[in-house]
Amino acid sequence: EVQLVQSGAEVKKPGESLKISCKGSGYSFTSYWIGWVRQMPGKGLEWMGIIYPGDSDTRYSPSFQGQVTISADKSISTAYLQWSSLKASDTAMYYCVRLHLVGAVIDYWGQGTLVTVSS
Amino acid sequence: QTVVTQEPSLTVSPGGTVTLTCASSTGAVTSGYYPNWFQQKPGQAPRALIYSTSNKHSWTPARFSGSLLGGKAALTLSGVQPEDEAEYYCLLYYGGAQEGVFGGGTKLTVL
Repeated sequence: EVQLVQSGAEVKKPGESLKISCKGSGYSFTSYWIGWVRQMPGKGLEWMGIIYPGDSDTRYSPSFQGQVTISADKSISTAYLQWSSLKASDTAMYYCVRLHLVGAVIDYWGQGTLVTVSS
Repeated sequence: QTVVTQEPSLTVSPGGTVTLTCASSTGAVTSGYYPNWFQQKPGQAPRALIYSTSNKHSWTPARFSGSLLGGKAALTLSGVQPEDEAEYYCLLYYGGAQEGVFGGGTKLTVL
């Protein structure tokens, strides 16, 4: 069974750093892209960027370039999304997704990680 | 900046048929944008329904279908069930920019 299991909810202060994770199982982790999607409270879905764990090829949406870092450790089938200095506006639910880039097929979603940034 | 537009809200009666659409600010949507459709219910992660315009995942109910209609991607629900009440999002993939763009979502009410 394909699963993407994300790390738990986080509460942070502005200026703090954070790294959240997404662990894939039930499939060959290095054969599919992993994407990250943001959903701010009461709002729609936003494409942040994608990574190919096989070679760490990473592509960011212009809106998120320089704001976050996407990485992966294929040895433990885990992708990451990190911030070096959080802002209140980073408060959101973050989802990871499995993506076949050929045909741009998103099939599986993680359960989401809620990040709350508040002083 | 590319904008993908969906109807903000639609209402349908149980057993009825409804079509949701997905337009691109860059022009007509074609199969080359590989439209995907997702369903999200309150408090849940989104669930994939349709990929590459009209292909269903193994878990997608038969009453959901995807197509291209009048220069837009379309999701049609036939024989709507009360449990279909949800937010629906489309995703278009812009290969040149190598990124996807989600539509703003359509809130479907079954009434």
